[in-house]
Amino acid sequence: QVQLQGSGPGLVKPSGTLSLTCAVSGGSISSSNWWTWVRQPPGKGLEWIGEIYHGGDTNYNPSLKSRVTMSVDKSKNQFSLKLSSVTAADTAVYYCARGGAAVPAGNWGQGTLVTVSS
Amino acid sequence: DIVMTQSPDSLAVSLGERATINCKSSQSVLFNSNNNYLAWYQQKPGQPPKLLIYWASTRESGVPDRFSGSGSGTDFALTISSLQAEDVAVYYCQQYFSTPRTFGQGTKLEIK
Repeated sequence: QVQLQGSGPGLVKPSGTLSLTCAVSGGSISSSNWWTWVRQPPGKGLEWIGEIYHGGDTNYNPSLKSRVTMSVDKSKNQFSLKLSSVTAADTAVYYCARGGAAVPAGNWGQGTLVTVSS
Repeated sequence: DIVMTQSPDSLAVSLGERATINCKSSQSVLFNSNNNYLAWYQQKPGQPPKLLIYWASTRESGVPDRFSGSGSGTDFALTISSLQAEDVAVYYCQQYFSTPRTFGQGTKLEIK
């Protein structure tokens, strides 16, 4: 059973860059075509950030596209999210998940709370 | 963007009774008259979402058969046939027909 573990700093300063990594265990990152990032502000609903193909193709939410970069590191069996120029509105639990494109997200990491504050 | 609208926002149902949550998409998520690109997730406090239903009506492996999905095109529903205490959660629909792959705002299900 594929498991995902997100990691990264829990506190990021305003105007800084949020960087998160999702390690995949129990299977190869190349075994599933697409991988997804979703976020959830405290007490609010889910927001789709984007998805990345194991070959590197990406789809981003237009509302975040100018600030988002996703990447895959096959050698480390992990994928990553970078979100630049963060503000308090980017404070959220960030989830990584397996799935994307025509496949819904079936496996989710536990989530990483990132707070944007000085 | 496809806008997903769930109703109601919250719902209280007695144990053993039926619970139904509706989801409407602003445009059809049916492809080739065959597959509806619509999923349902359950999220309990402090946990990530859990996939319950995909292709609008296919139960994910391990999901109890009291959960069922229905609908096509733009109108969908998630039904819990006999509510159990462990079903208390927030439920989200999501379309994966096009990007951005949008979620509904969520429906909070409680015990009456």
